[in-house]
Amino acid sequence: DAKTTQPPSMDCAEGRAANLPCNHSTISGNEYVYWYRQIHSQGPQYIIHGLKNNETNEMASLIITEDRKSSTLILPHATLRDTAVYYCIVRVLSAGGTSYGKLTFGQGTILTVHP
Amino acid sequence: DVKVTQSSRYLVKRTGEKVFLECVQDMDHENMFWYRQDPGLGLRLIYFSYDVKMKEKGDIPEGYSVSREKKERFSLILESASTNQTSMYLCASSSTGVPGAGYTFGSGTRLTVV
Repeated sequence: DAKTTQPPSMDCAEGRAANLPCNHSTISGNEYVYWYRQIHSQGPQYIIHGLKNNETNEMASLIITEDRKSSTLILPHATLRDTAVYYCIVRVLSAGGTSYGKLTFGQGTILTVHP
Repeated sequence: DVKVTQSSRYLVKRTGEKVFLECVQDMDHENMFWYRQDPGLGLRLIYFSYDVKMKEKGDIPEGYSVSREKKERFSLILESASTNQTSMYLCASSSTGVPGAGYTFGSGTRLTVV
């Protein structure tokens, strides 16, 4: 699986958009980009994933550049409860679209949302 | 919502003890995983299972074994606990039938080996 690079930490004011970047310059054509977050003392939580199109769900938006070498997770209106470590992961789906392949977590970005 | 339940939140064991960490999921997921998380090292995969009685080694399987006798339950076994196995252990599950589906993690078991 391709390696990812994220800034170690970021700050964001409550109510503002949090934009978390991820570099995955060695990504292959069949690798997806996944985002997870981990709030202190809890297990990681799935946020969103995408292949090449931008994606949006109730939690966040994922913007993937046209060359797919980087992506940005956007939390449109950050709250104090969004303070967490955010992980960007790229992963190949196994043959047939099944998804049991392992996830490899890096160090992530510590996002601190302040009042 | 999928729930992944780990039997203990905190556990203290003695060196040399055999330790069982239990994980149960309630959404009929085929795939289950055990990770450990340590400061500065992130989450590392120990073992995973994609079917009952099936298992595959992850990145750091040494000192561990697993058991998957029923679809909903995945057990991690420390054959002879050592202090370097003090860590946060996280169980996760995912569905093969939903391509691209995310993993659901449990809340973790913080194991201390003394």
